[in-house]
Amino acid sequence: QVQLVESGGGLVKPGGSLRLSCAASGFTFSDYYMSWIRQAPGKGLEWVSYISSSSSYTNYADSVKGRFTISRDNAKNSLYLQMNSLRAEDTAVYYCAGSIAVAGNFDYWGQGTLVTVSS
Amino acid sequence: SYVLTQPPSVSVAPGKTARITCGGNNIGSKSVHWYQQKPGQAPVLVIYYDSDRPSGIPERFSGSNSGNTATLTISRVEAGDEADYYCQVWDSSSDHRGVFGGGTKLTVL
Repeated sequence: QVQLVESGGGLVKPGGSLRLSCAASGFTFSDYYMSWIRQAPGKGLEWVSYISSSSSYTNYADSVKGRFTISRDNAKNSLYLQMNSLRAEDTAVYYCAGSIAVAGNFDYWGQGTLVTVSS
Repeated sequence: SYVLTQPPSVSVAPGKTARITCGGNNIGSKSVHWYQQKPGQAPVLVIYYDSDRPSGIPERFSGSNSGNTATLTISRVEAGDEADYYCQVWDSSSDHRGVFGGGTKLTVL
């Protein structure tokens, strides 16, 4: 069955870095556009970044542009998010999600990994 | 940037109909997707491309989109429908960025 499993979350100090990973299985990962979406404690969903199926295109929310970098390895069925210069407001559960179409719905979601930025 | 506006909360009695709106400038020209999220769980797609329903989602869930408002309608509401609901679009004017509404907490009385 389809699975997206995030890892790499944890506690990090302000200004620090963290790399999230998302392992995909059960579907043709290389066909899917992939996104990172986050949810701060008690808050709504916030789209963070997306990457096209072939890594040709990426984009970021203004809140993370210049600090976060999305990437993927289709040979390893994996998605990544490198997060630098972390701030307290980056504290959230981070979900990876996949969509088959460029402007499509998110068909698949992981269960999320918690990132806490605190001194 | 494109903004989606949802009411923070909607309350409905069991068996009645709940309507959750999602407002945006000319949202009728965009494709709207709806997600249900229960506490401690990842979101689940309930409506895609305005009005299509994924397999496994009850026919009680339906969607529409026109003008400046998209609407998720849940008929014959059940206790198990209590959850947060989010609308979502892609903003192509911003070089393709995802946008979520603020979410609506559906309470079944």
